[in-house]
Amino acid sequence: EAGVAQSPRYKIIEKRQSVAFWCNPISGHATLYWYQQILGQGPKLLIQFQNNGVVDDSQLPKDRFSAERLKGVDSTLKIQPAKLEDSAVYLCASSFGRNQPQHFGDGTRLSIL
Amino acid sequence: GQQVMQIPQYQHVQEGEDFTTYCNSSTTLSNIQWYKQRPGGHPVFLIQLVKSGEVKKQKRLTFQFGEAKKNSSLHITATQTGDSAIYLCAAVTQGGSEKLVFGKGTKLTVNP
Repeated sequence: EAGVAQSPRYKIIEKRQSVAFWCNPISGHATLYWYQQILGQGPKLLIQFQNNGVVDDSQLPKDRFSAERLKGVDSTLKIQPAKLEDSAVYLCASSFGRNQPQHFGDGTRLSIL
Repeated sequence: GQQVMQIPQYQHVQEGEDFTTYCNSSTTLSNIQWYKQRPGGHPVFLIQLVKSGEVKKQKRLTFQFGEAKKNSSLHITATQTGDSAIYLCAAVTQGGSEKLVFGKGTKLTVNP
């Protein structure tokens, strides 16, 4: 079974620039999650999709972050404009159903200069 | 909002020693999941506990869900250097928003 695919693995940008991350979940997984993990902390949920609908985006900074999962399969997360405090690892995960065990991708390590 | 507290935050042990990490909540949980995250890696699912008082074992790892379903523990017997990782619990509260919330994790370092 192929795992969760994420790209890019690393990204370095300057503050106020924009960046986008891509995620392809495990085939058949209806639920897709985007997390932000700052060094030394647990993953913080940014947004959760059930198929192509948003289930929870209460912790997504909507003034700068956006995410979509148009066809209910792969997803993109965008930051525009980036701030220094956005430096983190962005993890995508998928699960068969809501609150079921999650499978994580390798993540994108974002550095803001 | 819902929080899960993990203790300790850090633990250093010598290879062969035992290790326990705890996950605590002030509210009743419907289920709890444990994950292992190696340095530079991503969280990997270990186990899910659903029933009050449930105990599950995976080789040297023992997972327990409290009788009141407000806490859980992960115990590793005779640690090995490969056990060095961050151990994360993630929990869903009963009723309410039913969100899965991750704790901050316990970073275990096993010295050879």
